[in-house]
Amino acid sequence: DADVTQTPRNRITKTGKRIMLECSQTKGHDRMYWYRQDPGLGLRLIYYSFDVKDINKGEISDGYSVSRQAQAKFSLSLESAIPNQTALYFCATSDPPTDTQYFGPGTRLTVL
Amino acid sequence: GDSVTQMEGPVTLSEEAFLTINCTYTATGYPSLFWYVQYPGEGLQLLLKATKADDKGSNKGFEATYRKETTSFHLEKGSVQVSDSAVYFCALSVSGGSQGNLIFGKGTKLSVKP
Repeated sequence: DADVTQTPRNRITKTGKRIMLECSQTKGHDRMYWYRQDPGLGLRLIYYSFDVKDINKGEISDGYSVSRQAQAKFSLSLESAIPNQTALYFCATSDPPTDTQYFGPGTRLTVL
Repeated sequence: GDSVTQMEGPVTLSEEAFLTINCTYTATGYPSLFWYVQYPGEGLQLLLKATKADDKGSNKGFEATYRKETTSFHLEKGSVQVSDSAVYFCALSVSGGSQGNLIFGKGTKLSVKP
């Protein structure tokens, strides 16, 4: 079984809708991240969490919110989706001091 | 701020050719450096890493040496295969930094032809 899972894998939604992307991990890591990938831009950090009570904004948090329901679960919400949020979204976990991050398979989101 | 610059692609090579993907970085602290690979339709996987100057990371025939004097971490492979076709990302992480997240380059797409 995969260590980091994301649901759904693909989602098509309409402008103005609220949607949630979910991430679960079985690696036992405290740190979790949400990234967005756009063609030619690499990955950019949306939010990160060092433990259940510690949530922080990343580089591009506007229009997004997160919830850390448990050590193993970290959800990303788009409050009111807009077309320029169409992208590939990745969840990742890490366990210091290695700094290595482990990525989920991604969620492809399309906002019409 | 911290940043990573890697060569733009796409890069197209014939099987068994030599591969170099350049990566340079800017960091205020003492970063760890990484190469991640993304195969078509999949998430990112760690390919190799180095945590201090002069360290060499290696995996699956790929190598990269942490060069502090040139702030570089170039990825090399002596003989590429069709199965190496993927997008390669250079990244850094500043240990002890407030975020602990990775800062990525924009990625380099590699296509290897038979």
